[in-house]
Amino acid sequence: AQSVTQLGSHVSVSEGALVLLRCNYSSSVPPYLFWYVQYPNQGLQLLLKYTTGATLVKGINGFEAEFKKSETSFHLTKPSAHMSDAAEYFCAVRGDDKIIFGKGTRLHILP
Amino acid sequence: NAGVMQNPRHLVRRRGQEARLRCSPMKGHSHVYWYRQLPEEGLKFMVYLQKENIIDESGMPKERFSAEFPKEGPSILRIQQVVRGDSAAYFCASSLQQGADTEAFFGQGTRLTVV
Repeated sequence: AQSVTQLGSHVSVSEGALVLLRCNYSSSVPPYLFWYVQYPNQGLQLLLKYTTGATLVKGINGFEAEFKKSETSFHLTKPSAHMSDAAEYFCAVRGDDKIIFGKGTRLHILP
Repeated sequence: NAGVMQNPRHLVRRRGQEARLRCSPMKGHSHVYWYRQLPEEGLKFMVYLQKENIIDESGMPKERFSAEFPKEGPSILRIQQVVRGDSAAYFCASSLQQGADTEAFFGQGTRLTVV
C-alpha cells in the first residue's frame, strides 16, 4: 500500500526566497512520485514526476524535487519564489492503478 | 487535442435529488479515475474505470454512488439522493494506459453544491 504525508498545510515565503515543500511517502514497491499544482478553481497540473533514473527531477516553472530513498522523501524546491507561485501543491505516489495524494500544502507568497 | 473535459463545472442540487457528473477523457485515453476533494483534505480516490469495466472502486461509498464508462460516450459519476455532505469538488483524470509511471491528466473539476 502507498501513502503520502505533506508536512505543513500552509507555507509562507517572501517573494524571491527559497521555496521548500516537504513530502514523505510510504510504498511497498518502488515508488513513482509526482508533484501537482492547483490554482484556485482549477484542476491539477503536473509539475514534475519521478519514475526511475536521476533522483533530481526538474519540472516546469523552475521547480525541482529530489527523490531520497533513504529518507523516503520527495521534497519540492524552487530557488526564488514568484508571486505567481501562490497555489496549492500536492505530492502524490502511484501504485499499480491509482494515484494517492497528500492533503496538500497551500503556498503563500509575501511581497 | 482537447484535455480532459468535465461538465458541468458547477452543479447545484437540492437534498434528495440526483447529481450526474460527466467526464470526457483525452482522445485515445481509455483509463479514467474519479477523485473527490474536500477543503483541507486533499484528493480522495473514488474509482478507476476502463472502458465498460470498473477496475477499482475501493474509494466509492457503498450507497448512492455509482460510476460507469461506457464503450461510447463520457464517463459518468452518479450520486443519488444527494445530501449536504456530498458537496465537494469532483475531479476526473484520464491516462493512456495503466502503469505506475503513466501520467494522469486532470479535468477542471465539477463543484457540486447541495442545498
